[in-house]
Formats: sequence, structure tokens, C-alpha cells
Amino acid sequence: EVQLVESGGGLVQPGGSLRLSCAASGFTFSSYEMNWVRQAPGKGLEWVSYISSSGSTIYYADSVKGRFTISRDNAKNSLYLQMNSLRAEDTAVYYCARLTDGYSYYFDYWGQGTLVTVSS
Amino acid sequence: EIVMTQSPATLSVSPGERATLSCRASQSVSSNLAWYQQKPGQAPRLLIYGASTRATGIPARFSGSGSGTEFTLTISSLQSEDFAVYYCQQYNNWPPAWTFGQGTKVEIK
Repeated sequence: EVQLVESGGGLVQPGGSLRLSCAASGFTFSSYEMNWVRQAPGKGLEWVSYISSSGSTIYYADSVKGRFTISRDNAKNSLYLQMNSLRAEDTAVYYCARLTDGYSYYFDYWGQGTLVTVSS
Repeated sequence: EIVMTQSPATLSVSPGERATLSCRASQSVSSNLAWYQQKPGQAPRLLIYGASTRATGIPARFSGSGSGTEFTLTISSLQSEDFAVYYCQQYNNWPPAWTFGQGTKVEIK
């Protein structure tokens, strides 16, 4: 069974940093492209960042470019999101989401999410 | 950026009735469209991809149609477990700039 379990969320002051983790199991993690998707309270979904299966290709949404860094450790079956210079508008539930295999870019499995609150 | 617009924002439906949800793209996304279901406090769940293909384990009462800029998700006979928020997502871009609609809440009438 595919499982994605996020951790690392919490309350942080504006300008602060946080590192999110996503532990994957039930599939060959190193074969799949992974993403972070976020959802502000009461709002819709926003794609945040993509990383290829090897970690060699990375993309970000404009809203987080230059502040967030995605990475992965295939030996540990883990995905990460380093978030720096956090702003109030970064407050959201952050989901780890697996991209389906092949050349279609939809998300076939999601974690339960971890809440990040940016507030003084 | 491709803007996805869903309508209506809220749909009130009685159990057993049919629900029709719409999603419009600001430019053509071909058939590169997915639908997700999200219940309160839960992660989104993939329902439909390729505009019309049901994901594994999704009941046949869910169907998707459309291409280009106009898409529809139909739930043929609403069950109690189907009351949720539904999102469409386009994945026609590379490099990624994938975008979601703002969601349609299906509530009990």
C-alpha cells in the first residue's frame, strides 16, 4: 500500500524557516517524481514544487521561488521542503504528492498533510 | 498561467440525484485534466485523469468528459460518501505550472 507521511509543520514567525519531510513507503520511491502541493485554510490547492526521480531536475512555483528548496534522499525514501523567509501567505497545509508514472502530470497519491502557520 | 474556473461554487443535491460539475480552462489543455475529491480534514483523492479515465477503485457512478477548455464531472447517483469538495487540475504544461480550479462543494440538499 502506498503511504506518504508528512511531518515538520508548526508555528513559525514571519521571516523564519521550517523544514518539512515526507516519508514514503509501499512503492519504489526512487522511480517516481514527487511534488509539494499546499492548501491555505479554507482555500483551494496550489502546486508548489517538483523534483524528478533522481533529484536532478527541480521546478518551483513563482510564489516560492528563491525561498523554498525541494530535495530528496532516495536511500531514505524521503522527500523534503526547506522553507526560508516565510511569509503569512505561506500559511497552509502542505501535502506531499506523487506524480503518476509516464508522461502525464497528475497526482495519484497524496499524504495527509502537515500544517504550517506563519504568524507572530 | 492557465486559469481553471469551476462552477458552481456550491451544488446542493439530494442523495440519489445526479450531480454535474463544470471546469473551464482559460486556454486549451487538450485532455490533460484530472479531478480530485477532498473530504474535510483529508487529502485529495484522484478520481479521474485524462479527462475521462477513472482512477483505480473509483466507482462507475463517477464519469468525466470534455476536452480543450470545457470539462464536466458527473456523479450519476449521489451517495452519502460523495458529499465533498471536488477540484479539477490541468497538467498540460511542461515545465510544470499545473493549476487547480477553486473547487465545487457538493452538499446535501
